[in-house]
Amino acid sequence: QVQLQESGPGLVKPAETLSLTCTVSGGLMFGYYWSWIRQPPGKGLEWIGYIYYNGSTNYNPALGGRVTISVDTSRNQFSLRLSSVTAGDTAVYYCARDNFQFYSDSSGYMRFFYYMHVWGKGTTVSVSS
Amino acid sequence: QPVLTQSPSVSAAPGQKVTISCSGTSSNVGNNYVSWYQHLPGTAPKLLIYDNYRRPSGIPDRFSGSKSGTSATLAITGLQTGDEADYYCGTWDTSLKAGVFGGGTKLTVL
Repeated sequence: QVQLQESGPGLVKPAETLSLTCTVSGGLMFGYYWSWIRQPPGKGLEWIGYIYYNGSTNYNPALGGRVTISVDTSRNQFSLRLSSVTAGDTAVYYCARDNFQFYSDSSGYMRFFYYMHVWGKGTTVSVSS
Repeated sequence: QPVLTQSPSVSAAPGQKVTISCSGTSSNVGNNYVSWYQHLPGTAPKLLIYDNYRRPSGIPDRFSGSKSGTSATLAITGLQTGDEADYYCGTWDTSLKAGVFGGGTKLTVL
């Protein structure tokens, strides 16, 4: 059974770069999408972005180009880097294994299946000087 | 602001049924498939429903999902105190090219 574990510094200074790693155990990364999601204190879930096992990525445009997600399948890990952090980036950060599929219906409209099937337990990151 | 709209809270007595709604637009809920997650504080969120109504193995049939137009609904029957949690809907937004969630609904079992 696949398990995910987040790791990284719990405290980051403003304007610096937040770096987290997700280690995947009990399964391979091949063929799957892998994502990062966060939950600021007192708020709901926010999707950060995903990476496919082959390295292709998609990021939340609301994060203004500050996000980089990378993958190392040989180590069964993927990583998040969030640059120029502010107090607003304080959150619990989760990694997840996704299911992402799409098809074109009879009208030619793209329809998407997207959900997070397996989640890590999360790691708290605070941004403070 | 969350892209999908959920009521902040809902409550019901043990044994009763509760429904949690999730409202969106044609760019997300209306034309894509919805998932639901249960989140207890301090734990990993758990997938309850995917593809609008499918349940992962191990999720009891007390949990069910449906969708109509740009709204989706999670129903929980036979409420138990252990169901007290935050519930989130999620889907893909075709215009944003991003995953999106609702703001979450806090379920209280009185």
